[in-house]
Amino acid sequence: GENVEQHPSTLSVQEGDSAVIKCTYSDSASNYFPWYKQELGKRPQLIIDIRSNVGEKKDQRIAVTLNKTAKHFSLHITETQPEDSAVYFCSGSSNTGKLIFGQGTTLQVKP
Amino acid sequence: GAGVSQSPSNKVTEKGKDVELRCDPISGHTALYWYRQSLGQGLEFLIYFQGNSAPDKSGLPSDRFSAERTGGSVSTLTIQRTQQEDSAVYLCASSPLTGVDYGYTFGSGTRLTVV
Repeated sequence: GENVEQHPSTLSVQEGDSAVIKCTYSDSASNYFPWYKQELGKRPQLIIDIRSNVGEKKDQRIAVTLNKTAKHFSLHITETQPEDSAVYFCSGSSNTGKLIFGQGTTLQVKP
Repeated sequence: GAGVSQSPSNKVTEKGKDVELRCDPISGHTALYWYRQSLGQGLEFLIYFQGNSAPDKSGLPSDRFSAERTGGSVSTLTIQRTQQEDSAVYLCASSPLTGVDYGYTFGSGTRLTVV
């Protein structure tokens, strides 16, 4: 069935270092992969997305990569800052019309 | 509206009572989703409405949970005979067509506490 696996569940980095969160998906028909950031007590917010016809997309300090053959996609945050601390969710589209979410990664950026 | 609105923002109810949670999606968004997030946990899918199609109810955890969407806009999630395990944040999201194309915009959620 539809499934998105996300790793790691927690990630702690020093300010200025890079952070990488990885996801795999099972549905070969998935073609849209948005990432959401959820700060403590707030709603999840879309931060970046990628479609299957693109291998990489970058927006300032964040980038996403997609390997359709391996069914892997990743979020890369460079020059991390304390305000990047949050829970990050990857997701993938499904043929049932909804997004399938990963389990979430809690990122802590230490000053 | 400018965003997805949910009400109430907080709800404390006694075990066994019924509750109604409301979601007002972004104007023109045809797809509406309900998710549940328990403390420190991920996003659990509950139900999905798309236009006039029959809703996808595959995520509803029991027959105590139901939802409707009137006029293709506002949605109400009803939980009957609430139990303590129903305590969670209930998030609503909407999307222009379906989430497979445009992603979701989430509301701020309703924090439900069953005592």
